[in-house]
Amino acid sequence: AQSVTQLGSHVSVSEGALVLLRCNYSSSVPPYLFWYVQYPNQGLQLLLKYTTGATLVKGINGFEAEFKKSETSFHLTKPSAHMSDAAEYFCAVSSNDYKLSFGAGTTVTVRA
Amino acid sequence: NAGVTQTPKFQVLKTGQSMTLQCAQDMNHNSMYWYRQDPGMGLRLIYYSASEGTTDKGEVPNGYNVSRLNKREFSLRLESAAPSQTSVYFCASSSQGLQPGKYGYTFGSGTRLTVV
Repeated sequence: AQSVTQLGSHVSVSEGALVLLRCNYSSSVPPYLFWYVQYPNQGLQLLLKYTTGATLVKGINGFEAEFKKSETSFHLTKPSAHMSDAAEYFCAVSSNDYKLSFGAGTTVTVRA
Repeated sequence: NAGVTQTPKFQVLKTGQSMTLQCAQDMNHNSMYWYRQDPGMGLRLIYYSASEGTTDKGEVPNGYNVSRLNKREFSLRLESAAPSQTSVYFCASSSQGLQPGKYGYTFGSGTRLTVV
């Protein structure tokens, strides 16, 4: 079985500040890990993914995430928040399975 | 544009009515999925089809049925809608190949369903 826990349902940051979204997973086998972003009234868009190899993964819009096996974490960061980053973010895990399991989501608000 | 197309985008049903949500993808993907999204609960898998000709239940299949019509199309049917089925429904597809789960999903834009 696989599952995802996103710490914090809502994060508020100032424009230009660091964005940090936390994700912990459980998986019985080496996982594939994903971050998706959802803008209001839209579908989910893939930000980045970890499958194998380098544990620091870079994605679109300046986001990156680091896979830490010892901590079972896959936290998402962006050094400098922009107003356009306001959205809901979902972490997801797959364990060599046809299904993705999603976290409950974290809503990011960016203050001017 | 290539991708996943869902119809309709919005729907209001009365309790007990039936309807079918349509989904089509033009990326030659093998696997297709139906999720529902509710506030604070993330996305929950209703049904999926790992490949043409197969369907399987996900976390929350009760009250739903699916049909994998062909490789492109995967429909979700509500036989007797209930207010608890008010939600946003997303279809997704994935090119799974020999490494299931590795490639993530491409999502449609969703169907907002209200059951009154």
